[in-house]
This record gives sequence, C-alpha cells and structure tokens, in this order.
Amino acid sequence: AQSVTQLGSHVSVSEGALVLLRCNYSSSVPPYLFWYVQYPNQGLQLLLKYTSASTLVKGINGFEAEFKKSETSFHLTKPSAHMSDAAEYFCAVPLYNQGGKLIFGQGTELSVKP
Amino acid sequence: EAGVTQFPSHSVIEKGQTVTLRCDPISGHDNLYWYRRVMGKEIKFLLHFVKESKQDESGMPNNRFLAERTGGTYSTLKVQPAELEDSGVYFCASSHPPGTTFYEQYFGPGTRLTVT
Repeated sequence: AQSVTQLGSHVSVSEGALVLLRCNYSSSVPPYLFWYVQYPNQGLQLLLKYTSASTLVKGINGFEAEFKKSETSFHLTKPSAHMSDAAEYFCAVPLYNQGGKLIFGQGTELSVKP
Repeated sequence: EAGVTQFPSHSVIEKGQTVTLRCDPISGHDNLYWYRRVMGKEIKFLLHFVKESKQDESGMPNNRFLAERTGGTYSTLKVQPAELEDSGVYFCASSHPPGTTFYEQYFGPGTRLTVT
C-alpha cells in the first residue's frame, strides 16, 4: 500500500535560515506527489506538485521540492525562512487508480523564530 | 471563483447527538472528497463522490456516518449518534475530473467537531 512519511512533527528555524521539511514515500513509485500548507484557521492550500515533468519543482512563496527516486524522497525546501511561513505542511500522494484520493503524511508544523 | 466552503466552522455536541456537516465544492467540480483529521493523527480519507454517486466510501469509520450529495452539488456528512472518538477536523475537497489537473484537490477550511 502507498504510504507517505514525514520526519519530524515539529521543525523550528530562525528567520532567514534554511527550511527543510522531509517527506519519503513508499517504494511503489507514484505518478504524482504534492505538498500542501495549512495556515492557522485556514484550509489546505496546494504549495507545489510533482507530475514527472521535472524532478525539481518550484511552488508558491519561494518553496521548492526535489523528487529523488533513488531515495524515495520529496523534501520541501526554502532558502530563507520568513515569519509568514509558520504553518503546518503536509506531503501527500494521490492514488491514481483509486479516484485520486490523497494519502497524507503526518504533517510537520513549522515555527519561525525572529 | 469561489473556493470550497464548509459549514459550520465549529460544532460542539454531546455524545449521542446528531450533527450534520455541509460542504459546497467549487462550481463545476465533479469530484468531492471528505477527509478527517483526528487530533495527533494524519489526515485520512473518508469518501469520494463523482457527481452524486459514491465512488469510494472505504474510509468511512462505521455506519454512524452517512454522506450524501444530492444533485451532484453540495454534500452533507451526518454523524448519528456521535461518539467521543468522532472529534476532529473534517475537511472537504473538490477537483476537476482526473486527467485535467493531475488530481489537484482544493480544500475547504474544515469543520472542527468536538464531541463531549
């Protein structure tokens, strides 16, 4: 069965520091991978998506992620954290043969210190 | 374009009562999904509608949960009778038909359900 694992339920960085949020997927290579972000009191918003067109994917707000098949990873990065990046981030894989339902990782809450 | 809306945003009910959650998807989106996040756990799939038909309800916890999507527009999720373990945040999402936008789902803000 497909699964997604996010390492670290909480990550804290200083403003201006590198953000690295980890996501690993199960070994059955998925066609697509998503990162969603949930800001406080808001719904989930798509941050970026991997659709096999390019292994390096750029998303909104300066985030990017790199698909690495050899490591079964899709880690999310941002070179310089901003206070407004504080949110919860979810890695997810849609199940292509099951109507596109999403399998989510456990979520990583990002805190940004001034 | 209006996003996915959910009502109510919060609901606090007593064990044994009934609650109905509503989701209005983005206009024109045939696919509608319900998910739930219990505190401390990951977001989990509940069910999937294609228009008014239930495509997949494999994630529904038990027969106390009933989802409907009459006319293929808005959807309701009823919990009757509610139990303590039903507490959590219920998300609704909608999407275009597969093959058009790589299964990108648009989420509502969620309904936070607390059963006391």
